[in-house]
Amino acid sequence: DGGITQSPKYLFRKEGQNVTLSCEQNLNHDAMYWYRQDPGQGLRLIYYSQIVNDFQKGDIAEGYSVSREKKESFPLTVTSAQKNPTAFYLCASNDRGPYGYTFGSGTRLTVV
Amino acid sequence: QKEVEQDPGPLSVPEGAIVSLNCTYSNSAFQYFMWYRQYSRKGPELLMYTYSSGNKEDGRFTAQVDKSSKYISLFIRDSQPSDSATYLCAMTKSSGNTGKLIFGQGTTLQVKP
Repeated sequence: DGGITQSPKYLFRKEGQNVTLSCEQNLNHDAMYWYRQDPGQGLRLIYYSQIVNDFQKGDIAEGYSVSREKKESFPLTVTSAQKNPTAFYLCASNDRGPYGYTFGSGTRLTVV
Repeated sequence: QKEVEQDPGPLSVPEGAIVSLNCTYSNSAFQYFMWYRQYSRKGPELLMYTYSSGNKEDGRFTAQVDKSSKYISLFIRDSQPSDSATYLCAMTKSSGNTGKLIFGQGTTLQVKP
């Protein structure tokens, strides 16, 4: 079955460490996205990529970095510069306009 | 002020009740409106979508858009315990993949047997 795989499901890191969240899709979608979800705040866009080797900042890109070396992969690095990294991170892909988003199951990152 | 406002609840109803979920928005350029359902510790799934104003019905679910009031609604008839989830409204201006989705805060719904 086609879909988006995010790993790991749960991640714990010490403050000051960088951590990379994995997102892989086998839907052959060009566009991929990273969202952050906090209680009571909905989803906020971190970064998005419309094509391999190209990506743009979203609304809350500070403290995050991404790469898009392959169509199927869009990893997100949470750096030590991110002031409040504990959150639920969701990856999505799309190739059919506003109604075509497919989301992964998310990674819950806890920084202690 | 957020572009999209949604009451986070929680909302608790008995099984069989009619549920009304709502969002208001401030940007009159929004044309595409969506409702997502998100179960605990999962990603959101598209539940309903509408373009511009009007109603859309799919089984027990009805989505309404009132652009003059900048107000969208999702109605769930004959609610079931399996409907217990967080419901997120989302909207965008653009028809393409580059259009940014703006989400509401999400409303947590619990349907009690």
